[in-house]
Amino acid sequence: SQQGEEDPQALSIQEGENATMNCSYKTSINNLQWYRQNSGRGLVHLILIRSNEREKHSGRLRVTLDTSKKSSSLLITASRAADTASYFCATDAGGNTPLVFGKGTRLSVIA
Amino acid sequence: SQTIHQWPATLVQPVGSPLSLECTVEGTSNPNLYWYRQAAGRGLQLLFYSVGIGQISSEVPQNLSASRPQDRQFILSSKKLLLSDSGFYLCAWSVKGARSGYTFGSGTRLTVV
Repeated sequence: SQQGEEDPQALSIQEGENATMNCSYKTSINNLQWYRQNSGRGLVHLILIRSNEREKHSGRLRVTLDTSKKSSSLLITASRAADTASYFCATDAGGNTPLVFGKGTRLSVIA
Repeated sequence: SQTIHQWPATLVQPVGSPLSLECTVEGTSNPNLYWYRQAAGRGLQLLFYSVGIGQISSEVPQNLSASRPQDRQFILSSKKLLLSDSGFYLCAWSVKGARSGYTFGSGTRLTVV
């Protein structure tokens, strides 16, 4: 079953604008991860935020986590055409339980 | 460095034919291994995962099976494919115990005709 639910399902922006994608989940987590998938390719791990963290940065990426609201957001600043891809959040409940992925947000960045 | 190999990249198979997809990992030992399936425009559905040789956990009851004959080899099989088995199959590995991200293979696009 899918725990994470991304919002919006699709997002189209102009190059240079910021893109914000949201993820909501239902049960307690150990950490939350964001992945990127180019069309027809495997997923690439972007960033992991632990349940005791509220914000994390990596280059142009900024991730927030609100465990009280069971939600996370991924912000891509100064977007580029090469950022066009699908973005997935995935939740980790701890132990050896596998990641559970959401349905993803399709981001289109128009040059 | 660690790498993951998944093949073939694309596969067209008739209904009722068998299936064997292979995934191997290099540069690490005792990884957790996973098979996911992705329908067109959809999220990832976990099919199987393995924490060790011969240890397979199934998440979705269906006509697929998985095996881990060696530490870094994970195989997805079917004796008779159904049309509904079409999809994009992804293999992934992760470090056991450490809370780090998964590394995915490049995927296999399976079309059952």
